[in-house]
Amino acid sequence: QKEVEQNSGPLSVPEGAIASLNCTYSDRGSQSFFWYRQYSGKSPELIMFIYSNGDKEDGRFTAQLNKASQYVSLLIRDSQPSDSATYLCAVYSSASKIIFGSGTRLSIRP
Amino acid sequence: DAGVIQSPRHEVTEMGQEVTLRCKPISGHNSLFWYRQTMMRGLELLIYFNNNVPIDDSGMPEDRFSAKMPNASFSTLKIQPSEPRDSAVYFCASGNEQYFGPGTRLTVT
Repeated sequence: QKEVEQNSGPLSVPEGAIASLNCTYSDRGSQSFFWYRQYSGKSPELIMFIYSNGDKEDGRFTAQLNKASQYVSLLIRDSQPSDSATYLCAVYSSASKIIFGSGTRLSIRP
Repeated sequence: DAGVIQSPRHEVTEMGQEVTLRCKPISGHNSLFWYRQTMMRGLELLIYFNNNVPIDDSGMPEDRFSAKMPNASFSTLKIQPSEPRDSAVYFCASGNEQYFGPGTRLTVT
């Protein structure tokens, strides 16, 4: 089992709909969780971080964390073509080591 | 703030040559991370520093790779000798929330 798992996609979502990206992790002691967006040929860009169970909202983005089930998700409301990118989930493990998932490719179709 | 600065942005070299990648982190950040990204292996953490001290270098693939952080504003990643399988994009990231630099695209022929 990979330490941080994401569906590689591509995930295709119509413009204006909600895109839901999921990530599971194996280390139950993990404390910090991050979502990055990476456009093709560019570097990863931090979108959201979340430390506590529940939801955290920032504009069109909502991160959801459920430590009991060991998953973290990212919701993108009112999806735009400019949201088309690869989304990387990252987790700080209990050993204070950051581990990235392999990323989910998201495609927003007009 | 200029963000994380990396140089060079592109490097093409021949197998066996020494390669040095450079990074200037964001001022005030205490941690610095070096990553390698390839299509096959995704984003891999190579090494990270905290307060200029290497904390975890377990991701460094071989002895051919070495990294230094002589002061809070500069770090290098060196590959000697380079091999074609080292071809990748190398990122430097600054701070616990990982603000990434633009990366160095390394091609070893």
